[in-house]
Amino acid sequence: AQSVTQPDIHITVSEGASLELRCNYSYGATPYLFWYVQSPGQGLQLLLKYFSGDTLVQGIKGFEAEFKRSQSSFNLRKPSVHWSDAAEYFCAVGARNQGGKLIFGQGTELSVKP
Amino acid sequence: DAGVIQSPRHEVTEMGQEVTLRCKPISGHDYLFWYRQTMMRGLELLIYFNNNVPIDDSGMPEDRFSAKMPNASFSTLKIQPSEPRDSAVYFCASRKSGGYTFGSGTRLTVV
Repeated sequence: AQSVTQPDIHITVSEGASLELRCNYSYGATPYLFWYVQSPGQGLQLLLKYFSGDTLVQGIKGFEAEFKRSQSSFNLRKPSVHWSDAAEYFCAVGARNQGGKLIFGQGTELSVKP
Repeated sequence: DAGVIQSPRHEVTEMGQEVTLRCKPISGHDYLFWYRQTMMRGLELLIYFNNNVPIDDSGMPEDRFSAKMPNASFSTLKIQPSEPRDSAVYFCASRKSGGYTFGSGTRLTVV
């Protein structure tokens, strides 16, 4: 069965600093991979997704993620964080042969210092 | 496109009452998912449908929970009887071939 691990429960970065959120997955084949963002009291917004092809994926709001098969990772990055990026971030994996149901990591809460 | 529409946004009910949550997926999407989000357990998949047929309900916590999808444009998640531990945010999501689109959720409080 697939699973997702986000090792960092909470991260604080300064505004303008770079950001990397870690995500490791467990799945027997190449999965679908996603990053979602959730602001307090809101739903989940898709930042980016990886299905196949180029392993460096560009998303909305200046985010990107890189799929590394050898490390079973799909880390999210942003070169310069803005205060409005403070939110909770979820990595998710979808199994290609199970109707595409998404399994989520526990989330990483991002705080941004002025 | 109005996105995935969930109702109500907030629901407060007394223990033992029946609760029905509603979801209207995006037109043309053939998968529909129900998730529950709590602080303790994060985002859990409860059940999902493909072309209105339930495919996997292994995440439904117990028999008090039931879900239906009578047509392509409507799904319900019912809890009967409700208990305080059911308090959570319940999300509906729909999907076609690309990404998954989530609704804004229903915040359920059982007192």
